[in-house]
Amino acid sequence: QKEVEQDPGPLSVPEGAIVSLNCTYSNSAFQYFMWYRQYSRKGPELLMYTYSSGNKEDGRFTAQVDKSSKYISLFIRDSQPSDSATYLCALEGRGSQGNLIFGKGTKLSVKP
Amino acid sequence: DSGVTQTPKHLITATGQRVTLRCSPRSGDLSVYWYQQSLDQGLQFLIQYYNGEERAKGNILERFSAQQFPDLHSELNLSSLELGDSALYFCASSVTSGPGDTQYFGPGTRLTVL
Repeated sequence: QKEVEQDPGPLSVPEGAIVSLNCTYSNSAFQYFMWYRQYSRKGPELLMYTYSSGNKEDGRFTAQVDKSSKYISLFIRDSQPSDSATYLCALEGRGSQGNLIFGKGTKLSVKP
Repeated sequence: DSGVTQTPKHLITATGQRVTLRCSPRSGDLSVYWYQQSLDQGLQFLIQYYNGEERAKGNILERFSAQQFPDLHSELNLSSLELGDSALYFCASSVTSGPGDTQYFGPGTRLTVL
């Protein structure tokens, strides 16, 4: 079983839709949960950061972590064409030196 | 713009050759991380340096090596290149080396091995 599983998509939605992106993981030692956004031919940029379980909201974006189910989610409200990108979840253990374990990414396309 | 710079943007070379990728971290960041991104494997951690010292190693091949210099820039050396080494190579930097520290990624170097 891979450490982090993420549906690669592609996911295509109309503008204004609510988007749900998810990752599951197997190692209960993960404590830090991140979502990165990567536009084509660019480097990943940090979108959301959550420590341990719970929800975090930032504008149109909400990150959820359920450690009991080993499941993390990113919700995008009122999606815009500019949200079209690949979204990668990234996890990190408390005892790590900072190396992130990434999901393979979900490619999202928001159609105007 | 993350503040992390990488050169060159693109590199095309032949099998068996050696290349050097360069990374300059954000001002004030002491940690540098190297990642490889390929279509089949996704984004994978290779190696981390903190203030000139190696801190962590991931799935880095023996043919690959890295170092961080006193001015904190880092170089990733790839030798005896194979077709399968074709990928995007990203450098990231953070202030410290501990868990939970935000990593900022550079624009990447696209390596093509022919």
